[in-house]
Order: sequence, then structure tokens, then C-alpha cells
Amino acid sequence: SQKIEQNSEALNIQEGKTATLTCNYTNYSPAYLQWYRQDPGRGPVFLLLIRENEKEKRKERLKVTFDTTLKQSLFHITASQPADSATYLCALEGNTGKLIFGQGTTLQVKP
Amino acid sequence: EPEVTQTPSHQVTQMGQEVILRCVPISNHLYFYWYRQILGQKVEFLVSFYNNEISEKSEIFDDQFSVERPDGSNFTLKIRSTKLEDSAMYFCASSWLATAYEQYFGPGTRLTVT
Repeated sequence: SQKIEQNSEALNIQEGKTATLTCNYTNYSPAYLQWYRQDPGRGPVFLLLIRENEKEKRKERLKVTFDTTLKQSLFHITASQPADSATYLCALEGNTGKLIFGQGTTLQVKP
Repeated sequence: EPEVTQTPSHQVTQMGQEVILRCVPISNHLYFYWYRQILGQKVEFLVSFYNNEISEKSEIFDDQFSVERPDGSNFTLKIRSTKLEDSAMYFCASSWLATAYEQYFGPGTRLTVT
């Protein structure tokens, strides 16, 4: 079955630095991969979607890469701010639109 | 900005009781989903729904679960006979397209089975 691995350890960085989060997957070849943000006790909020034929996607301070050979996506937040502190979820997209989520990586940005 | 709403925000029930969790998806969306998240664990897909039919369901979504879109706005998840292990946060989501499109999640219903 499909498996998605995100770094389960929290990532602590200093304000202003670039945060890089990793998502690795196996036993699947998704056409699309999505990234969501989740704050404690809240529902996931969509951030970015990247297609299998796209190497990179950007939105403001966010950048996502998608390497279908390595079966890996990287999520970058540049010039990080304390307000970026949250859990970031990687999700593979199934044929019917179902999302298969990783366990998420918690980012803590310290002022 | 349009949003998905869910009621109640918190439901406490006794084991064996039936619960109905309610969702109002975004009005022009066509695809609807339920997910759950057990405390400290990942978000898990339960079921997808389109054109008044289930498109796909996970192994979790057994005969105790059902979904319904009783009118043009509500989307419900029913658990017929709750078990302790059903305690989780349940999220409803909706989307305009089935694939290659963002899903909008509601704030969730925290279900506690005692």
C-alpha cells in the first residue's frame, strides 16, 4: 500500500531562516501532490499543489519541488516568521480525489 | 471567503449509541469527503462522495458508517453504533474538482466515545 514519510521530529529554526521539510513516498506514482498547514485543533488548510510534470512551484514565500524519480517532495518556507509555526502535511492524491496524508512535520520558528 | 462548516464542534456519546456529524460544504462544490484524525496521529481518509454516490471508501469505513446528502446543502456522516476507537476529530472537506484541486476542510467535530 502507499506509504508517505515525513520527518516526525519537530523542526526548530530561527526567524528569518529558510525551513525545509521533506516528504518521501513509496508504492505509488501520484499525478499530484499537495501540501497543507494544520494548526492545533483545526482542519488542514491548503497551501500548494504540484503536478508530476512540474519540478517546482512557488507562492509568495513558499516553494515546493517534486522529484518523481526520487519519490520525494521538498517544501520550503523562506524568511520564516513565528506565525509560520504549525504542522505541515504532505498529501498524495488518489484517483477519486482522496488525499493520503503523511503524519506531518511540526515547525517551530523562534523569534 | 466561503468556508466549510461543521456541527457540533464537540460530541460526547456513550459506546453503542448512534451519532450524526453534520457538514455544510462550500455551495458550488461537487465533491465531498470525510476524514478523521485520532489524537496525535495522521489525517486518514474515510470516504469520498459525488453525485449522491460514494466514490471510494477506506477500510475504516465499514458497515457502521454511512454518508448522506439529504438536501442541497448538508452532508452527514452517521456512525450507527459507536466504539471507543471511534473517538477522533472528524473533518469534512469539499472540492470543486475531483483531482488537481484543493480541498477545503471544515473546523472538525471532536467525537468522544465513553
